[in-house]
Amino acid sequence: QKEVEQNSGPLSVPEGAIASLNCTYSDRVSQSFFWYRQYSGKSPELIMSIYSNGDKEDGRFTAQLNKASQYVSLLIRDSQPSDSATYLCAPGGGNTGKLIFGQGTTLQVKP
Amino acid sequence: GAVVSQHPSWVICKSGTSVKIECRSLDFQATTMFWYRQFPKQSLMLMATSNEGSKATYEQGVEKDKFLINHASLTLSTLTVTSAHPEDSSFYICSARAGTSGTNEQFFGPGTRLTVL
Repeated sequence: QKEVEQNSGPLSVPEGAIASLNCTYSDRVSQSFFWYRQYSGKSPELIMSIYSNGDKEDGRFTAQLNKASQYVSLLIRDSQPSDSATYLCAPGGGNTGKLIFGQGTTLQVKP
Repeated sequence: GAVVSQHPSWVICKSGTSVKIECRSLDFQATTMFWYRQFPKQSLMLMATSNEGSKATYEQGVEKDKFLINHASLTLSTLTVTSAHPEDSSFYICSARAGTSGTNEQFFGPGTRLTVL
């Protein structure tokens, strides 16, 4: 089993729809969870951090964390074509600071 | 937000030469920096963890004598690819860890695209 599992996609949604991105992880030590967005040919950009079970909202983004189920998700409301990118889920593996990256989910938002 | 820069943004070199890449945290002090490599259509692969004032910790399978890392100050880490070969051509990205509370937020530099001829 991979440490971090994401559906590679592509996930295709129409403009204005809600995009739902899911991630499961195997490391029970992780207490910090991050979502990064990576445009093609660019480096990752941090878009959400979540540390506690439940939901965290920031603008059009909502991260959801369930540590018991080892599951974290990202919802993007009112999806825009500019949201088209690869989204990387990254649990933070303890105090080492290391991030454990999944393969990422490619999101395509069609006008 | 926290800003991390990398220099150069791209470099082309001949096989056998060495290339140095700089990573700087511009508006915060980074006790820990990380170096990643990404091949086309693949995910990020952590190469090493760089701590200020101490030796870098390399991931399994990464040659420490080939990829030299120096973290000389709280705002600068360098990666030197020694005796580069075409298979070292890749996208090299650094990140810097902000804070000391264990929040582990990492901010990435823009990356350096290395092409070895």
